[in-house]
Amino acid sequence: LAKTTQPISMDSYEGQEVNITCSHNNIATNDYITWYQQFPSQGPRFIIQGYKTKVTNEVASLFIPADRKSSTLSLPRVSLSDTAVYYCLVVGASSMFSGGYNKLIFGAGTRLAVHP
Amino acid sequence: DAGVIQSPRHEVTEMGQEVTLRCKPISGHNSLFWYRQTMMRGLELLIYFNNNVPIDDSGMPEDRFSAKMPNASFSTLKIQPSEPRDSAVYFCASSPWTSGRDGDTQYFGPGTRLTVL
Repeated sequence: LAKTTQPISMDSYEGQEVNITCSHNNIATNDYITWYQQFPSQGPRFIIQGYKTKVTNEVASLFIPADRKSSTLSLPRVSLSDTAVYYCLVVGASSMFSGGYNKLIFGAGTRLAVHP
Repeated sequence: DAGVIQSPRHEVTEMGQEVTLRCKPISGHNSLFWYRQTMMRGLELLIYFNNNVPIDDSGMPEDRFSAKMPNASFSTLKIQPSEPRDSAVYFCASSPWTSGRDGDTQYFGPGTRLTVL
């Protein structure tokens, strides 16, 4: 499973665009990149997932360069309610039966604080 | 859809007691995961099941921990005997993973906050 590196914390203000970058230098061919969001006292919540180029949904955009060694989660016009911890994961479900999920590590994530 | 349901939401017990945490996955999901979260260690995967069969339990910390999934709609995580260092938030997650499809997505429950005195 590819190890990921992301900033420990970030600060922003309401209305701004926030970009959180995750490094995953040893990503495998079958791996997907998934981002989760976690609010205090809640379980992580799926935000977005991608394999390459750009993916956009109603919540965020995910940018993945051609070499796939990094990815950037983009949150447009953040609000106070976007204050949370954001986790980047790289995993391939095809490795599940070979025990791949035993290395599913969320890490410390990026703690985003949005200020008024 | 009610989402993943966990019970109890909070559990306070004394050292040495048996603790049983329960999880009901989302209907139709065939994979289930148990996690533990603490400030020191973050979110750790303990064990996961696929079609009710335990696939990998290498994340289970000790023999005091055990997990079962008797059917597709119910799983338990048991700690016997419990110790203060087991205090944490325990999350259950389920996934609709299907054969041949990569990029699994997990849906987490609200968690059980366990305090062992």
